[in-house]
Amino acid sequence: AQTVTQSQPEMSVQEAETVTLSCTYDTSESNYYLFWYKQPPSRQMILVIRQEAYKQQNATENRFSVNFQKAAKSFSLKISDSQLGDTAMYFCAFIPSGAGSYQLTFGKGTKLSVIP
Amino acid sequence: EAGVTQSPTHLIKTRGQQVTLRCSPISGHTSVYWYQQALGLGLQFLLWYDEGEERNRGNFPPRFSGRQFPNYSSELNVNALELEDSALYLCASSLGQGGTDTQYFGPGTRLTVL
Repeated sequence: AQTVTQSQPEMSVQEAETVTLSCTYDTSESNYYLFWYKQPPSRQMILVIRQEAYKQQNATENRFSVNFQKAAKSFSLKISDSQLGDTAMYFCAFIPSGAGSYQLTFGKGTKLSVIP
Repeated sequence: EAGVTQSPTHLIKTRGQQVTLRCSPISGHTSVYWYQQALGLGLQFLLWYDEGEERNRGNFPPRFSGRQFPNYSSELNVNALELEDSALYLCASSLGQGGTDTQYFGPGTRLTVL
């Protein structure tokens, strides 16, 4: 069974600053995918970024980037130039690759507040 | 392109009643997933449908059931509602390629059981 741990229940950051959200996971799988989802107060779960475990290069999407350390089973999210619209719950999620894989395993989430 | 849609937005029911939640996937997606997001419990996997068949279910009692229609839309039914069923129910869809595929979520249905 997989587990995903987000050790920071709440964080805050000043607008325009950079913040890093932590995520660790435990799995015996060798091939898998990792995701960061954002859930603003409107509650719509929005995909932020996706990382394929077999790719060594860290994924980036505009102001969002990850630091993927496969050996350490760590998958942190860095948000640069934080904006007020980044205020949300952020969930780290894991899914094994391959046919038959279906269930995202989520961490408990980190509540991020961007302060003007 | 339209995203995943869910209806209704909110529901209030009383204990013992039955409820049906609906989900329409992104066009071209054949897999639909249901998750429960209850306060303090995080996101829990409920059900996975693909090509009209239930492929797997999470650790939930049989009173949670559903189906997927030929157009790939899906319903989640909950019978004999209990207070602890109060939660946000999220539907997600994907291309149906298993773990290689990204799940995209709808806005959710907030269910309150009194």
